[in-house]
Amino acid sequence: GAVVSQHPSWVICKSGTSVKIECRSLDFQATTMFWYRQFPKQSLMLMATSNEGSKATYEQGVEKDKFLINHASLTLSTLTVTSAHPEDSSFYICSARLQATSREQYFGPGTRLTVT
Amino acid sequence: GDSVTQMEGPVTLSEEAFLTINCTYTATGYPSLFWYVQYPGEGLQLLLKATKADDKGSNKGFEATYRKETTSFHLEKGSVQVSDSAVYFCALSQGAQKLVFGQGTRLTINP
Repeated sequence: GAVVSQHPSWVICKSGTSVKIECRSLDFQATTMFWYRQFPKQSLMLMATSNEGSKATYEQGVEKDKFLINHASLTLSTLTVTSAHPEDSSFYICSARLQATSREQYFGPGTRLTVT
Repeated sequence: GDSVTQMEGPVTLSEEAFLTINCTYTATGYPSLFWYVQYPGEGLQLLLKATKADDKGSNKGFEATYRKETTSFHLEKGSVQVSDSAVYFCALSQGAQKLVFGQGTRLTINP
């Protein structure tokens, strides 16, 4: 149980284009999902917290107009990287909380984005 | 704010060696503590957790004990295998708040 999937697992796009990454909770409803970014050989950096039916809460320094997050249902959150640039190339990981009061998060397998 | 500090890696061991990866934390209140493992090219998997002082989390031969007096949550395994090669992250959370991660420790086990 508590499986989280991401799609695509990897994507290559050209500079200036937008790319959407999906995060799905497969066997549970997630009121809260999180989006992280991980640079090579580094820890995870929380980008934003996504709550179903409301606007995402972004961490300091994360451009909300560049990284659009939508959490339209209890099983799906999307991250759209708009007008991508090579410096946006990274490993993006989502996680989902099983219950609103739970301290535990379940992570997706990640999406590797390469912007050329 | 809350923070987690892990021993710096990389750590390289021979198969069947004893493993310790140190983790200390700074937090107000009583956080929950976690160890996550990341295999190459994959997302994070929860390895074990502890929610209160003196709790011991264990899974797949790994153990960690929540030590409030030393604010530590060191990860141990008595006999490592090549398949344990991965990056290990210590993390904490306060209530239902966000996870705060340590910097990660890369572990390589040689046959």
